[in-house]
Amino acid sequence: DAGVTQSPTHLIKTRGQQVTLRCSPKSGHDTVSWYQQALGQGPQFIFQYYEEEERQRGNFPDRFSGHQFPNYSSELNVNALLLGDSALYLCASSLEGFRANTEAFFGQGTRLTVV
Amino acid sequence: DAKTTQPNSMESNEEEPVHLPCNHSTISGTDYIHWYRQLPSQGPEYVIHGLTSNVNNRMASLAIAEDRKSSTLILHRATLRDAAVYYCILRYSGTASKLTFGTGTRLQVTL
Repeated sequence: DAGVTQSPTHLIKTRGQQVTLRCSPKSGHDTVSWYQQALGQGPQFIFQYYEEEERQRGNFPDRFSGHQFPNYSSELNVNALLLGDSALYLCASSLEGFRANTEAFFGQGTRLTVV
Repeated sequence: DAKTTQPNSMESNEEEPVHLPCNHSTISGTDYIHWYRQLPSQGPEYVIHGLTSNVNNRMASLAIAEDRKSSTLILHRATLRDAAVYYCILRYSGTASKLTFGTGTRLQVTL
């Protein structure tokens, strides 16, 4: 059973560019959450998608947007990249909106470097 | 979200038990206590969770204080592969969509 897969694993972009990161959830999972992890910090919640809708959003600007497809896979888009967007982007999958007594499974992340 | 407090770092010898503490004095009655860990260069990994009673699984045990204001993650025999950052997270059952990570406890395991 494949776990959560993210692509690409590494990416280098220039300031002002746009980037799309992709995530395939664990088999059977219908909920995808995205997190940003800066060096030396814990992951910070960006948003969550369930039933193809954004259900909850963290404190991130509108430059960060996402999408969930009918097969539950998801994309994270970041526009007008800033140097401060350099981070590890993590995708987590779970079931049914990620209830409090359930667990999330994380991918290995995409390391984004903005130069 | 209710706040948790963990030591920045801890050390353990291999093959010895490790007790990782977490304080959560403002926990509410419906908050679940979750633990995740993050090994170097990997995404976080679920370890265990509980509500009121102590819990055991193949990875660890979770001991929850009677007043629920603190908890302890117990690794029964630490190995080098347990070296990671351990996060204690409270999850409110009413709005449970996200995980709120703090800075966690960095566990070092030595021979």
